[in-house]
Amino acid sequence: EVQLQQSGPELRRPGSSVKLSCKASGYSITDYLMHWVKHRPEHGLEWIGWIDPEDGETKYAQKFQSKATLTADTSSNTAYMQLSSLTSEDTATYFCASITTTRDYWGQGVMVTVSS
Amino acid sequence: NIVMTQSPKSMSISVGDRVTMNCKASQNVGNNIAWYQQKPGQSPKLLIYYASNRYTGVPDRFTGGGYGTDFTLTINSVQAEDAAFYYCQRIYNSPWTFGGGTKLELK
Repeated sequence: EVQLQQSGPELRRPGSSVKLSCKASGYSITDYLMHWVKHRPEHGLEWIGWIDPEDGETKYAQKFQSKATLTADTSSNTAYMQLSSLTSEDTATYFCASITTTRDYWGQGVMVTVSS
Repeated sequence: NIVMTQSPKSMSISVGDRVTMNCKASQNVGNNIAWYQQKPGQSPKLLIYYASNRYTGVPDRFTGGGYGTDFTLTINSVQAEDAAFYYCQRIYNSPWTFGGGTKLELK
């Protein structure tokens, strides 16, 4: 059974950074791209980017080019997303997702709260 | 950068009604569109891929259509469990941009 297990909720100060994890089970992360998605209720879903864990290639939405850094550790079958220079606008739920045209697996989401 | 515009932003429908929501791409995306359903507190769920293909297990009351820049998601005979947000997404080519969403409420 495919599962994506994300790390727990995070509380950070403005200006700091956070690294979120997404551990896959039931398949090898090198087989598919891993996407990351931001959700804020008043803004809907935003696609952040993807990483190809096989070779480390990444693609980012223009808005997140300097905000997010996607990495992967194939030895632990885990993908990561680091968010830097946090502001209140980064307060959101973040999902990892292994999605293709015929595949739809999502993590449970992790809430990141940025507050002083 | 491509922009995906969904309309309407919200709609209130009775159980049993038929509803159609729209998604417009700012440039030709062929049939590279997916539709997702998201309920509060849950991750999104894939309904339709390549504009008109129903994902595994999705009820046949959900139908996707369109090509190029204009796309639709139709729900025939809406059920109570269909109350949710619906998002279109450009897929296959980056950026995989989402539309702003349509909120479907039941009367």
